[in-house]
Amino acid sequence: GIQVEQSPPDLILQEGANSTLRCNFSDSVNNLQWFHQNPWGQLINLFYIPSGTKQNGRLSATTVATERYSLLYISSSQTTDSGVYFCAVPPGWLDSSYKLIFGSGTRLLVRP
Amino acid sequence: ETGVTQTPRHLVMGMTNKKSLKCEQHLGHNAMYWYKQSAKKPLELMFVYSLEERVENNSVPSRFSPECPNSSHLFLHLHTLQPEDSALYLCASSQDIGQPQHFGDGTRLSIL
Repeated sequence: GIQVEQSPPDLILQEGANSTLRCNFSDSVNNLQWFHQNPWGQLINLFYIPSGTKQNGRLSATTVATERYSLLYISSSQTTDSGVYFCAVPPGWLDSSYKLIFGSGTRLLVRP
Repeated sequence: ETGVTQTPRHLVMGMTNKKSLKCEQHLGHNAMYWYKQSAKKPLELMFVYSLEERVENNSVPSRFSPECPNSSHLFLHLHTLQPEDSALYLCASSQDIGQPQHFGDGTRLSIL
């Protein structure tokens, strides 16, 4: 099955710093989502981005489908950005796109 | 307000108890999902419903029994659970199968 790898696994930032999180996937996909899980377990949908670039405030995401990776940019990080960031893709181009395969996440800690 | 509400937020139960988790979505979506998140493991898809019909059952033990009485409500009935079933159970919904998923806050379940 498709493999989803996220890097780095852990990241510590000083408040105000910028960062880039990466998601690699081993097969072509027609759907990719980024999620943020805060320290209380709430999972928030950040981006639905099968290709191209999207921006939402301090966050932006780029997916290069042909090269099988996606990047999540966090600028001017804040302590509320702490938590785990997941990317998720369906199991394959021909498989049902409702099945999301999650990466193991990047655990981010932003220090004041 | 995420649009997807899960109750209870926390549940502690013995192995012989019977309890139910509830999920309600206020987004007018047609598809609903149950996920399990165990410590140090990626999210696992358990069940998928589309227009109240189950479309996916990922080899989940029979001690977990889903119910979808209408497109706005999803239940997960629990009975004779095991300690390894302790986890965060997340509900999600999407407009239709394959569309971006929006998650509830989860129910943190502890089995004594």
